[in-house]
Amino acid sequence: EDQVTQSPEALRLQEGESSSLNCSYTVSGLRGLFWYRQDPGKGPEFLFTLYSAGEEKEKERLKATLTKKESFLHITAPKPEDSATYLCAVFPRGGYQKVTFGTGTKLQVIP
Amino acid sequence: DTEVTQTPKHLVMGMTNKKSLKCEQHMGHRAMYWYKQKAKKPPELMFVYSYEKLSINESVPSRFSPECPNSSLLNLHLHALQPEDSALYLCASSQEPPPAPDTQYFGPGTRLTVL
Repeated sequence: EDQVTQSPEALRLQEGESSSLNCSYTVSGLRGLFWYRQDPGKGPEFLFTLYSAGEEKEKERLKATLTKKESFLHITAPKPEDSATYLCAVFPRGGYQKVTFGTGTKLQVIP
Repeated sequence: DTEVTQTPKHLVMGMTNKKSLKCEQHMGHRAMYWYKQKAKKPPELMFVYSYEKLSINESVPSRFSPECPNSSLLNLHLHALQPEDSALYLCASSQEPPPAPDTQYFGPGTRLTVL
């Protein structure tokens, strides 16, 4: 069964304190991995799609990387507006071919 | 532009009511999705429409009835819901449907409360 595990569940950072969020996956072959941020009561906002190990993508203070077993979302010098829940989702190669979401990391950035 | 719109933003209904949620995208996407999200949980897939045809139904109770009138619109008809159906209902779309691993873009959601 496809599994996606995100850690930590919650993370509290001081403004400017860089850190990384982890997304570990066990799937029958990976076709795509997606990162979203979600604010309370809102829909997930797309951040990145990664397709193959070694791929990296950047957007402002965020950088996503992918290996064969996990993905990291690096946050450099975060600001309070980066506070949100970050969701990772994977699209497997075989099986039912639907997106499986992790349970998310809730990030709080303190001014 | 990657905008998916949903109406209404909030909906309160009784267990005997009939209501509908609406979703619209003008990106020319060929797949549209309904998800249900409970508090502090990830989104759960309910339905997938591929080229306006229902392709995936995740064993959703019949009190939820999806409809895709055209390539830009997706509706979710609600009837005889239970209080445990209260949740955030999310619509999403992607350029190509599964098995293509295309990015899904989500709307803002409809917060549904069943009394």
